Amino acid sequence: DAGVIQSPRHEVTEMGQEVTLRCKPISGHDYLFWYRQTMMRGLELLIYFNNNVPIDDSGMPEDRFSAKMPNASFSTLKIQPSEPRDSAVYFCATRVSGAFGYTFGSGTRLTVV
Amino acid sequence: TQLLEQSPQFLSIQEGENLTVYCNSSSVFSSLQWYRQEPGEGPVLLVTVVTGGEVKKLKRLTFQFGDARKDSSLHITAAQPGDTGLYLCAGAKDNNDMRFGAGTRLTVKP
Repeated sequence: DAGVIQSPRHEVTEMGQEVTLRCKPISGHDYLFWYRQTMMRGLELLIYFNNNVPIDDSGMPEDRFSAKMPNASFSTLKIQPSEPRDSAVYFCATRVSGAFGYTFGSGTRLTVV
Repeated sequence: TQLLEQSPQFLSIQEGENLTVYCNSSSVFSSLQWYRQEPGEGPVLLVTVVTGGEVKKLKRLTFQFGDARKDSSLHITAAQPGDTGLYLCAGAKDNNDMRFGAGTRLTVKP
């Protein structure tokens, strides 16, 4: 099992550019979560999906953020346009129904300059 | 304001010492989890506790869930340099709304 796979591992972009972060969940895990981690705010839940359907996006900071899960094997988090305050590590995590534990990917470190 | 308050924020100890870190909240949780995160990686689940008063042991680590299910502690016996990392507690009222504390950053010096 390769675990939760995120790409890219690092992204440096200029303010105003579009950024797309990608996540491949563990096969069979029907819940997928996007988190953001910063020194100031810690880990924040942005949005989660169940069976590819967005359930709660109340943590998405602004309309500049959007997330999709077109199928059970793939999810994206897009920021358009990006701003320096979006700089953070973005994590994707998944779990299977009936289980408590989340499995996190290694994260994408985003730097917006 | 964090829903879950962790203390201490930083802890630096010598190899072989014992330590306890705390996770407190005014909210009741259906479950509480502890994770360890190393630099450049995502958090890794250590344990889940669901019953008030529950105690779980994982080798040198002992986890306790408060009777009222509002708080938890993690005790490490005879700490080793490999225990170094960021320890995060996370509470859920339902299993899809997991909220994390800010973490305790532990350094164990050889």
